[in-house]
Amino acid sequence: GENVEQHPSTLSVQEGDSAVIKCTYSDSASNYFPWYKQELGKGPQLIIDIRSNVGEKKDQRIAVTLNKTAKHFSLHITETQPEDSAVYFCAASLMDSSYKLIFGSGTRLLVRP
Amino acid sequence: KAGVTQTPRYLIKTRGQQVTLSCSPISGHRSVSWYQQTPGQGLQFLFEYFSETQRNKGNFPGRFSGRQFSNSRSEMNVSTLELGDSALYLCASSLGPGGNTEAFFGQGTRLTVV
Repeated sequence: GENVEQHPSTLSVQEGDSAVIKCTYSDSASNYFPWYKQELGKGPQLIIDIRSNVGEKKDQRIAVTLNKTAKHFSLHITETQPEDSAVYFCAASLMDSSYKLIFGSGTRLLVRP
Repeated sequence: KAGVTQTPRYLIKTRGQQVTLSCSPISGHRSVSWYQQTPGQGLQFLFEYFSETQRNKGNFPGRFSGRQFSNSRSEMNVSTLELGDSALYLCASSLGPGGNTEAFFGQGTRLTVV
């Protein structure tokens, strides 16, 4: 069935270091891959996304890469700051006419000051 | 521009009761989808509506249902509540109709079943 695996489940980095979170999807028909940040008591917030016709996308300190052949995609956060501490979710969307996101299990990122 | 609004924010219900949750999407968005978030199962898709039609449904029992109105607002209903239904219920809206446009989530409704 449809599945998205996400690693690591927890990640602790020193402020200023980089953080990388990796996801693997199972359905080769997936064509849209968003990343969400969820802070305590809040709903997930879209931080960056990538479509299957693009290999890499960057927005300031955040970048996402996609390897369609390997069905892998990754989130890279550079120059981490304490406010980056949150739970991050990757997701994949099936290529059909309806909207259905399959989420990874989440990565709890802690940025130590 | 107002975001996705979910009401109520918190609910406490007793086993066997039913509950209705509401979601108002971003103005102009016609697709509304619902997700259940629990510590054990993570974020799981419930169903998605576009132009008042349910287009997709996740693997949940029939006790979970929903609908969408002509103004794109959506409600979900859970009947005969069980303890395991305690969760954060999230609504997401997108322009639609395709599944590769941005989806924006509300703050969620925290349901506790006692």
